[in-house]
Amino acid sequence: QVQLVQSGAEVKKPGASVKVSCKASGYTFTGHYLHWVRQAPGQGLEWMGRINPATGGTDYAQKFQGRVTMTRDTSISTAYMELSGLRSDDTAVYYCARDLERRVGTYYYYGMDVWGQGTTATVSS
Amino acid sequence: DIQMTQSPSSVSASVGDRVTITCRASQGIGSWLAWYQQKPGKAPKLLIYGASNLQSGVPSRFSGSGSGTDFTLTISSLQPEDFATYYCQQANSFPRTFGGGTKVEIK
Repeated sequence: QVQLVQSGAEVKKPGASVKVSCKASGYTFTGHYLHWVRQAPGQGLEWMGRINPATGGTDYAQKFQGRVTMTRDTSISTAYMELSGLRSDDTAVYYCARDLERRVGTYYYYGMDVWGQGTTATVSS
Repeated sequence: DIQMTQSPSSVSASVGDRVTITCRASQGIGSWLAWYQQKPGKAPKLLIYGASNLQSGVPSRFSGSGSGTDFTLTISSLQPEDFATYYCQQANSFPRTFGGGTKVEIK
């Protein structure tokens, strides 16, 4: 079945970096963009960026520009999200999510149809 | 960035009730809107894309409508498994942005 499996929980000190992996299975890895979305404790969803696994091209939210790096390894169908310069307010659950691109009539519509289980990253001194 | 505003932030309802959640975009986004359901400790689940298209496997009691700036998610007859938080998300431009969420609670 189609699934995304993420790496395990991380605990980091302020200023450090965290790298989360997202392994895809059950579909053609290079056929769909992958998004990264985070959720701070008790808060809503925040889009961080996306990667095109076929080309490695990325789009990042301005908020994270300079601190986030999204990469992929097509040989193992795995995407990575690295966030540097961690602060306490980066404590969150980080999700990867597959991009849905669905044609309806003459338009293409988008969403995130398959999600990883989430990776909790805790930033604490 | 396009701001997405959901209302209400929470709603109390009973099994069998009809529930409506609204989402407003700060500028026109056509029909490029998705809705998600999230239960505690779980990843979000896609319900609706393109404002009104039901994702495969989602019960037909869920429906979406709207275009431009104003959108609605309706649950026609609330079931016990529908108690959750619902988010809208615009898919018209980058950065993708989400509404603040609507928590559907048991009355």
